Amino acid sequence: DIQMTQSPSSLSASVGDRVTITCRASQDIANYLAWYQQRPGKVPKLLIYAASSLQSGVPSRFSGSGSGTDFTLTISSLQPDDVATYYCQKFNRAPWTFGQGTKVEIK
Amino acid sequence: EVQLVESGGGLVQPGRSLRLSCTASGFTFGDYAMSWVRQAPGKGLEWVALIRSKFYGGTTEYAASVKGRFTISRDDSKSIVYLQMNSLKTEDTAVYYCTRGLYGLLTGYYVDYWGQGTLVTVSS
Repeated sequence: DIQMTQSPSSLSASVGDRVTITCRASQDIANYLAWYQQRPGKVPKLLIYAASSLQSGVPSRFSGSGSGTDFTLTISSLQPDDVATYYCQKFNRAPWTFGQGTKVEIK
Repeated sequence: EVQLVESGGGLVQPGRSLRLSCTASGFTFGDYAMSWVRQAPGKGLEWVALIRSKFYGGTTEYAASVKGRFTISRDDSKSIVYLQMNSLKTEDTAVYYCTRGLYGLLTGYYVDYWGQGTLVTVSS
């Protein structure tokens, strides 16, 4: 099975900083990747699908890029509301594996 | 408004069985794949099982950790997806989320809606 590896596992940044989270697939998954945000104690929420398409209603400071094996989620200007754990998930074929998550905190 | 409401969670002894249900509303249930995702306390997300829509054969897929023990099924007439969990282990303890899978020719599948989750605790 294809493994999904996120980095870093956690980060701390200041409000207004640009934040980048990476997700690497062990094999080519084309653009079949989504990103989710899970705030503490809450249900995960879809941010990005098909690697770079912004889900309706998600702030434009979130963006996704990549194809093949390397993908990036970028928050252009970190806000207090963005404190959460972020997960990538692959969809090229089952199993729909998640990355291990990246916890984002405010410095 | 899309709603996914899970039920059936609770405390169960190791080796026993439990069936989770997810009742959907606000969309044409039969047109969508449905899946279950779980999250052990303090841990990350783990995909568990998938059932495709009848249009795509209604076929099922499972994570290696549950294959042979868990069965996903759907009743399109009632807009319900089930997860039958047999031979439960302590490591199956988690919040179980019901999710909707959207398919597009250009985008492939992705999960766009999640239920609130139901807690399953496997303990003696």
